[in-house]
Amino acid sequence: SQQGEEDPQALSIQEGENATMNCSYKTSINNLQWYRQNSGRGLVHLILIRSNEREKHSGRLRVTLDTSKKSSSLLITASRAADTASYFCATFTGNQFYFGTGTSLTVIP
Amino acid sequence: SAVISQKPSRDICQRGTSLTIQCQVDSQVTMMFWYRQQPGQSLTLIATANQGSEATYESGFVIDKFPISRPNLTFSTLTVSNMSPEDSSIYLCSGGQGGNIQYFGAGTRLSVL
Repeated sequence: SQQGEEDPQALSIQEGENATMNCSYKTSINNLQWYRQNSGRGLVHLILIRSNEREKHSGRLRVTLDTSKKSSSLLITASRAADTASYFCATFTGNQFYFGTGTSLTVIP
Repeated sequence: SAVISQKPSRDICQRGTSLTIQCQVDSQVTMMFWYRQQPGQSLTLIATANQGSEATYESGFVIDKFPISRPNLTFSTLTVSNMSPEDSSIYLCSGGQGGNIQYFGAGTRLSVL
């Protein structure tokens, strides 16, 4: 399977703390993206990092990419209850997207 | 950005019947995909919907079971044929320009009795 792996599978933190989730993938990529999915809803794009980039920021989000290790991490700083959702990494390779296994984040108010 | 309207949002179907799911994009997109997602799990790519030609299916998915149409750059359908309870799942479509941001429909929650 082309699907990537994410860890942890589930993460529970207090509001205001930082949340870090990791993604590992198997093949060379054009880019890697992170998406959020609230329960029962479609996915929403968060951030895209290209294969020649190492770090990218967007608001409270920070993404790193290490192509030598085929891994990426997503850091959410100063978490809020509204950040409670599932987070997926997705790699774009060739002409296809493959999604990771996902991390379920719960932020406790 | 793009907005994708997917319908139906949910359906309950009888075994042996077929259901067609539609996705309409409010702008032209080069790529559209169909996914299946079990509750609480990740997305599994079913196929890439190619405009004007046959879809490209992932291993384990076949055209007879999941026929896909994409007559233009803003519309695609996925049919789940001869349904069984194992087809109960959430089906999602997405669209975007090449390998850039993908925009998702809200999903179709399918239950097969």
